[in-house]
Amino acid sequence: EVQLVESGGDLVQPGGSLRLSCAASGFTFSSYWMHWVRQAPGKGLEWVANINQDGSEKMYVDSVKGRFTISRDNAKNSVYLQMNSLRAEDTAVYFCARVSVPGSRAFDDWGQGTLVTVDS
Amino acid sequence: DIVMTQTPLSSPVTLGQPASISCRSSQSLVYSDGNTYLSWFHQRPGQPPRLLIYKISNRFSGVPDRFSGSGAGTDFTLKISRVEAEDVGVYYCMQLTQSITFGQGTRLEIK
Repeated sequence: EVQLVESGGDLVQPGGSLRLSCAASGFTFSSYWMHWVRQAPGKGLEWVANINQDGSEKMYVDSVKGRFTISRDNAKNSVYLQMNSLRAEDTAVYFCARVSVPGSRAFDDWGQGTLVTVDS
Repeated sequence: DIVMTQTPLSSPVTLGQPASISCRSSQSLVYSDGNTYLSWFHQRPGQPPRLLIYKISNRFSGVPDRFSGSGAGTDFTLKISRVEAEDVGVYYCMQLTQSITFGQGTRLEIK
C-alpha cells in the first residue's frame, strides 16, 4: 500500500524556519517526481514545489522562490521542504503528492498533510 | 502563469440530479506532446484531495462512472450524472501543462 506521511509542521514566528518531511512507502520512491502542495485555512490548493527522481531538477511557485528549498533522500525514501523567512501567508496545510500513472501528470497519491502556522 | 477559473463557485444540487462544473484556463492547455494535462479532484473537509479525472476525460481507478470530464483547449467541464450524498465537498481543476496551477474550487452541496 502506498503511503505518504508528512511531518514537521509547527507554530513558528514570522521570519523563522521550518523543515517539513514526507516519508514514502509502498513504491519505488527513487522512480518518481515528488511534489509539495499547500492549502491555507479555508482556501484552495496551491502547488509549491517539485523535484525529479535524482534531485537534479527542482521547480518552485514564484511566491516561495529564494525562501523554500525542496530536496530528497532516496536512501531514506523521503522528500523535504526547507522553509526559511516564513511569512504569515505561508500558513497552510502542506501535502506531499506524487504522480503514479505514467503520462497522466495528475497527483493520484497524497499524504494527509502537516499544518504550518506562522504567527507571532 | 496560467490562471484557472472555475464556475460556479458554489453549486446546490438535489440528490439524484446532475451537476456540472466549468473550468476555463487563461491559455491553451495543449502541451507540445499533443496531450492536455487537465485534471479534476474532489476534496472533503479534513481530507487530502482525491483524483477523479486526468487528461481531460480519463477516469482514475476506482472513480464511479457517474463522473465524466470533457473539453478542449481552454474550456473544460466535470459532470456528475446523478449526485449522491458522498459527492459533497469541493472540486478543483488543475493544469500541469505549464507549471502547475489549480482552479479556486467549486463547493458542491445538497439542497
